[in-house]
Amino acid sequence: DSGVTQTPKHLITATGQRVTLRCSPRSGDLSVYWYQQSLDQGLQFLIQYYNGEERAKGNILERFSAQQFPDLHSELNLSSLELGDSALYFCASSVRRDPQGYYGYTFGSGTRLTVV
Amino acid sequence: GQNIDQPTEMTATEGAIVQINCTYQTSGFNGLFWYQQHAGEAPTFLSYNVLDGLEEKGRFSSFLSRSKGYSYLLLKELQMKDSASYLCAVQTGANNLFFGTGTRLTVIP
Repeated sequence: DSGVTQTPKHLITATGQRVTLRCSPRSGDLSVYWYQQSLDQGLQFLIQYYNGEERAKGNILERFSAQQFPDLHSELNLSSLELGDSALYFCASSVRRDPQGYYGYTFGSGTRLTVV
Repeated sequence: GQNIDQPTEMTATEGAIVQINCTYQTSGFNGLFWYQQHAGEAPTFLSYNVLDGLEEKGRFSSFLSRSKGYSYLLLKELQMKDSASYLCAVQTGANNLFFGTGTRLTVIP
């Protein structure tokens, strides 16, 4: 158990629908990162939150949004779903490890989204 | 932008040594990571390099040359359970990790 909790593990939904993926970072970790991994694709960075504020955006579609709540859990909202949104969605959290600024990333087990 | 290249697939024999290369061009550099990912599972941390040179950790070693934008992961005494994807990732100045597409390693008897 990595300490990063993602729910649900599996999600099947129809095109056009909206879903919410949830992530709880490890205790003490302030940052949350969301990644998308399509079949045979690399991990694509979507968005980062730090202590409730958006810090960085990657290749996140306008149909997707995220937020981080005061208790530090985060939700990724995917709307107007398309077949191409089917993928594994990972959340990771990080905490500084050493004075050189090494931020260790720990990944949750992911949510497998299937859009039919 | 970020560009991280690694071979798509490799095959090696149980007990052998394999080297997985990674080249990168990124805006900002705060370190290079290697992760292992079994199919359908979360990536797990293998190694981290921020200075040039070799970092050894058991059967796994990782090398970095910042001037060449190059890293490799060396796996020794391969075992069947090492069959997985190996992801090279660069941490940028914003402390975000950008991943290559991964190298799928198949270990054969």
